[in-house]
Amino acid sequence: GESVGLHLPTLSVQEGDNSIINCAYSNSASDYFIWYKQESGKGPQFIIDIRSNMDKRQGQRVTVLLNKTVKHLSLQIAATQPGDSAVYFCAENNGEDSSYKLIFGSGTRLLVRP
Amino acid sequence: EAGVAQSPRYKIIEKRQSVAFWCNPISGHATLYWYQQILGQGPKLLIQFQNNGVVDDSQLPKDRFSAERLKGVDSTLKIQPAKLEDSAVYLCASSKRGQTMNTEAFFGQGTRLTVV
Repeated sequence: GESVGLHLPTLSVQEGDNSIINCAYSNSASDYFIWYKQESGKGPQFIIDIRSNMDKRQGQRVTVLLNKTVKHLSLQIAATQPGDSAVYFCAENNGEDSSYKLIFGSGTRLLVRP
Repeated sequence: EAGVAQSPRYKIIEKRQSVAFWCNPISGHATLYWYQQILGQGPKLLIQFQNNGVVDDSQLPKDRFSAERLKGVDSTLKIQPAKLEDSAVYLCASSKRGQTMNTEAFFGQGTRLTVV
């Protein structure tokens, strides 16, 4: 498969360490946020979501933190594994005008060193 | 449950030719999105349908791109005529929209278009 993000910011971590990927979103009216994982040659895959009435949500090995004050979102991956290597995108959903457009950020490439 | 299906998987055309992409969303999903993803960038929303109506097409280059979802299920995206800068992966996604808020969108594998 081909590479998804040749010029994206890259985070390199050692296998077993924790990873933190950050995202700044643009619209203060956005009320729903999603983290997606995209592997080479594949479409984005849902990881975890969070609504604006929460500031933290945990899944299996992943945690999303939302700071609405500074419009910042982060994805924490515990005990990072080689299979976590991919490009990660945050997406915001603005329901202000009821259109619920899903807008993606620019992405971060995660490389896991064995 | 079957995922979002897209075809073709790959397409190579010459500039000024036409091309069409097809998408079959997950059964029961009312919202359908078409995204363009240029290499090294995040997906960019082109058009969003709610059933068979267009909710947003503000980023669709309407002089050359068109999309339809006639029966509120399958959708096609067409480019006519294609330009070199249209080379990208075209992603289709669908979601089960609630009455007051949206839910996660599920993506197909995409169609990689190369315009030469």
